Amino acid sequence: DSGVTQTPKHLITATGQRVTLRCSPRSGDLSVYWYQQSLDQGLQFLIQYYNGEERAKGNILERFSAQQFPDLHSELNLSSLELGDSALYFCASSVSSGHTDTQYFGPGTRLTVL
Amino acid sequence: GENVEQHPSTLSVQEGDSAVIKCTYSDSASNYFPWYKQELGKRPQLIIDIRSNVGEKKDQRIAVTLNKTAKHFSLHITETQPEDSAVYFCAASWGDYKLSFGAGTTVTVRA
Repeated sequence: DSGVTQTPKHLITATGQRVTLRCSPRSGDLSVYWYQQSLDQGLQFLIQYYNGEERAKGNILERFSAQQFPDLHSELNLSSLELGDSALYFCASSVSSGHTDTQYFGPGTRLTVL
Repeated sequence: GENVEQHPSTLSVQEGDSAVIKCTYSDSASNYFPWYKQELGKRPQLIIDIRSNVGEKKDQRIAVTLNKTAKHFSLHITETQPEDSAVYFCAASWGDYKLSFGAGTTVTVRA
């Protein structure tokens, strides 16, 4: 157990809908990262927050957004869902914001868009 | 951004033999290279990492080598065991904060 928690574990929804994925980092970690893992694309970095502020952006679609709250938990919002958004979404946390900090991954949320 | 290529995509080895996975990266400024192991249905877990001021690092049966000139790094697993069966991802840092991951190698250890 890495200490990173994610809810829900599974999510099934329809195209066009909006969902929110939640992540709680390890105690003491200030950075949260979101990744998308689909079968044909491996682990894709989406976005990073550090102590409440957006720090880095990767291949995140405009339909997706995220935020980190004062208690350091983070939410990833996915809207106007398409079939291709079906994937495993992982969050990870690290102590600070540098890329050399070990990232600890949560168990993931499996999103299925029908 | 950083482009990380990983080979092979699948690897089958006999128990007790060695497994080698190779990655190349494009950004010469990359200076941090972690390796993650992901068992079926589970989260990726860091197994070893190396920084650019080091050429080789070992941890029991696992070793990683880095060639900054050639921009490639490799994971070596010796005396493979069934529990080594998993998907392995290499990654390279880019920019100040980001990691770019390879596509993964599915390793199967045959008993």
